[in-house]
Amino acid sequence: ETGVTQSPTHLIKTRGQQVTLRCSSQSGHNTVSWYQQALGQGPQFIFQYYREEENGRGNFPPRFSGLQFPNYSSELNVNALELDDSALYLCASSEGTGGRDSPLHFGNGTRLTVT
Amino acid sequence: RKEVEQDPGPFNVPEGATVAFNCTYSNSASQSFFWYRQDCRKEPKLLMSVYSSGNEDGRFTAQLNRASQYISLLIRDSKLSDSATYLCVVNKGAGNNRKLIWGLGTSLAVNP
Repeated sequence: ETGVTQSPTHLIKTRGQQVTLRCSSQSGHNTVSWYQQALGQGPQFIFQYYREEENGRGNFPPRFSGLQFPNYSSELNVNALELDDSALYLCASSEGTGGRDSPLHFGNGTRLTVT
Repeated sequence: RKEVEQDPGPFNVPEGATVAFNCTYSNSASQSFFWYRQDCRKEPKLLMSVYSSGNEDGRFTAQLNRASQYISLLIRDSKLSDSATYLCVVNKGAGNNRKLIWGLGTSLAVNP
């Protein structure tokens, strides 16, 4: 079974730049969710993709955007980076979009530092 | 009031102790509930789902009280390897619409 993989593992960007983070979902999973986790905080939901369509979004501005591809891998794009965007970005895949029967499987995350 | 609130940590307990975490949620329409475990600088991993009737998995017991809108996690006979942050997660979405709300986490340190 192939797990969830994210790339890169670490990234340093400067304010105003743009960044793309990538995620390969676990084999057999059709749903990908993205989370932002600041130090000492719980994960904050950014958005979720189900079969290439966004089907849920948290309280993040439009400069956070995403894509899901036919193979269910996904990208998170962040434009006009701000210092507060520095965080661990977690991708999670699941078989199905909600409920107890589709638990999330997380990747190791991408640690983004904005200077 | 936060949508999901957890006991403030950290909890420091000796090996073999029993420790309990509580978590309250504000949305009475919440559909499902989970406990995740997160080790330092690692990704969260599902510890257990929480069922209405309560459920047990080895040394871990989860309970749900819908009337009072809280869930709990009990860890018996603590091991050093239980040291981690425990995250309470509530899904307030329905059907195909997952809206997971995460607590801030409670840190547990089990000491020898």
